[in-house]
Amino acid sequence: GEDVEQSLFLSVREGDSSVINCTYTDSSSTYLYWYKQEPGAGLQLLTYIFSNMDMKQDQRLTVLLNKKDKHLSLRIADTQTGDSAIYFCAESQGGSYIPTFGRGTSLIVHP
Amino acid sequence: DTEVTQTPKHLVMGMTNKKSLKCEQHMGHRAMYWYKQKAKKPPELMFVYSYEKLSINESVPSRFSPECPNSSLLNLHLHALQPEDSALYLCASSLGQGTGELFFGEGSRLTVL
Repeated sequence: GEDVEQSLFLSVREGDSSVINCTYTDSSSTYLYWYKQEPGAGLQLLTYIFSNMDMKQDQRLTVLLNKKDKHLSLRIADTQTGDSAIYFCAESQGGSYIPTFGRGTSLIVHP
Repeated sequence: DTEVTQTPKHLVMGMTNKKSLKCEQHMGHRAMYWYKQKAKKPPELMFVYSYEKLSINESVPSRFSPECPNSSLLNLHLHALQPEDSALYLCASSLGQGTGELFFGEGSRLTVL
């Protein structure tokens, strides 16, 4: 299996909350990231969390980390059509700190 | 300037051609990366340059040849590619190797006929 797994698609209604989930296999992961890729654009770092944290909030974004279950989630409050994009979960380990990516979750926001 | 610029955006080449992908950043970053992304797959690391020296080669076939002429430029030379090498090639940079905040370009979509 892959090191980082996420579901491929999520569809939500505008104004609702979106929750994108990710699981990873390496218990020595040090940093966990969420990147966003809009159509025709490069990947953009949205937020990251240290492995010794449980939660991080940044405006409409909330990241939750369950280290025991190796589960990471990204909650987007009040989802807007402009949030439609592919969201990549990634992890890195001490030493290289180079992210290893999941396949990405395509978020579709409809009116 | 927080951009990583990749050219060309699209490239079609035959299996006997020689071509190059180019990447440029002017953020003063000292680490630059090549990733390969196939449809519905995660970006996969190919090469990392740190301070203009190749620091990581993820066992990439020699038909892909990276080059870092200076700290702002990263090239990927392509020769004798196979159709299965068709993919989106993403360039990224970071302040140094060791920070996970990578800044990505839009990618070069390569088709090998």
